[in-house]
Amino acid sequence: QLVLTQSPSASASLGASVKLTCTLSSGHSRYTIAWHQQQPQKGPQYLMKVNSDGSHRKGDGIPDRFSGSSSGAERHLTISSLQSEDEADYYCQTWGTGIRVFGGGTKLTVL
Amino acid sequence: QVQLVHSGAEVKKPGSSVKVSCKASGGTFSSCAINWVRQAPGQGLEWMGTIIPIFGTANYAQTFQGRVTITADESTSTAYMELSSLRSEDTAVYYCAREYLADGLPSGPFDYWGQGTLVTVSS
Repeated sequence: QLVLTQSPSASASLGASVKLTCTLSSGHSRYTIAWHQQQPQKGPQYLMKVNSDGSHRKGDGIPDRFSGSSSGAERHLTISSLQSEDEADYYCQTWGTGIRVFGGGTKLTVL
Repeated sequence: QVQLVHSGAEVKKPGSSVKVSCKASGGTFSSCAINWVRQAPGQGLEWMGTIIPIFGTANYAQTFQGRVTITADESTSTAYMELSSLRSEDTAVYYCAREYLADGLPSGPFDYWGQGTLVTVSS
């Protein structure tokens, strides 16, 4: 079964960097995923897709502070030079034939 | 620039149905799939189903099979999601999200999202 696992919460200080992780279920370690940001009281926004080789492609207008990487079944989203507006929920998403799946989301707090 | 614009908020009685629309502009409706995703209060994102407008074919998450119908009107670049037999647990914001087609097949990432429609189910 295709499942994405995310830690429920993360925190980091203003100006620092943070790395969020999304883990693919067993047997699905080569899947590509997408990252989405949802700021408080807003709809989700697409950030990027991250491939199994660590290459990533960002959506329109996404700042260079956001980057993606991979390690085995883990897909990462790194945000550098954290700003207050980065405080949001971050969801990973993947897909298979006839199915689309979201992780449970990580709530990022900027201290 | 691609925009997805939802219909307005709805309040429905338990047991009734709701139909939410999502109008696309700024892109080619025929080169995408439209997905529907819902988010209950304080909860995460839940995929409901998808439609490829140029083919008119839809497929649904198992959770919603038999209760959801997704359609699309190419002439108005509008997709619709109808959910029936509503219950209080269906109270949520319903989003449409675009998925680009690559070689005629859905490519995977949801690259544009609508602003969402709040559906409240209450007696």
